[in-house]
Amino acid sequence: AQKVTQAQTEISVVEKEDVTLDCVYETRDTTYYLFWYKQPPSGELVFLIRRNSFDEQNEISGRYSWNFQKSTSSFNFTITASQVVDSAVYFCAQTSGSRLTFGEGTQLTVNP
Amino acid sequence: DAGVIQSPRHEVTEMGQEVTLRCKPISGHDYLFWYRQTMMRGLELLIYFNNNVPIDDSGMPEDRFSAKMPNASFSTLKIQPSEPRDSAVYFCASSPNRGGEISETQYFGPGTRLLVL
Repeated sequence: AQKVTQAQTEISVVEKEDVTLDCVYETRDTTYYLFWYKQPPSGELVFLIRRNSFDEQNEISGRYSWNFQKSTSSFNFTITASQVVDSAVYFCAQTSGSRLTFGEGTQLTVNP
Repeated sequence: DAGVIQSPRHEVTEMGQEVTLRCKPISGHDYLFWYRQTMMRGLELLIYFNNNVPIDDSGMPEDRFSAKMPNASFSTLKIQPSEPRDSAVYFCASSPNRGGEISETQYFGPGTRLLVL
């Protein structure tokens, strides 16, 4: 069975700080996909990134970066120079075949 | 391009009433998913369709829940009769089918916030 664990329930930082959101996954599949979604206070779920299990290259998109490490089954998300608009719940998710399994989410609050 | 469209955005109803939630997926997407989000259980997959056919409905909580997809551009999730514990945000999502790979990115609608009194 798949499982996604986001151990950090809530994180609070001050604007311009860097922050890393942790994600650990469990699967017995050799092919799988990992995702991050953002849920701002308005409630919609916004896709951020998709990664397949064969691509361990880290990725950077503006202030966002992702670190995928198969050896530790982790797919961590870092926001550099955080901004108030980054305040949201962030979900890590995994799929391998048929179901997208979400973690419980991390509530990030960025204070001015 | 229009994203996934859901209606209504908010629904308040009384226990025992029938509730119908609607979804229009992104044009060209072959997969459609219904999720429910609650504080207690997080995001749960209820059911998903491929080419309008229900593939996995094991997440549907009870017989009171039913979902249909009469065509490629429309799906409904119905609750009859509704109960207070059905109060949640219901999301619809769609994804493309590239070579039969279900692990393509799912794009979510804005959700329907349901409150059953």
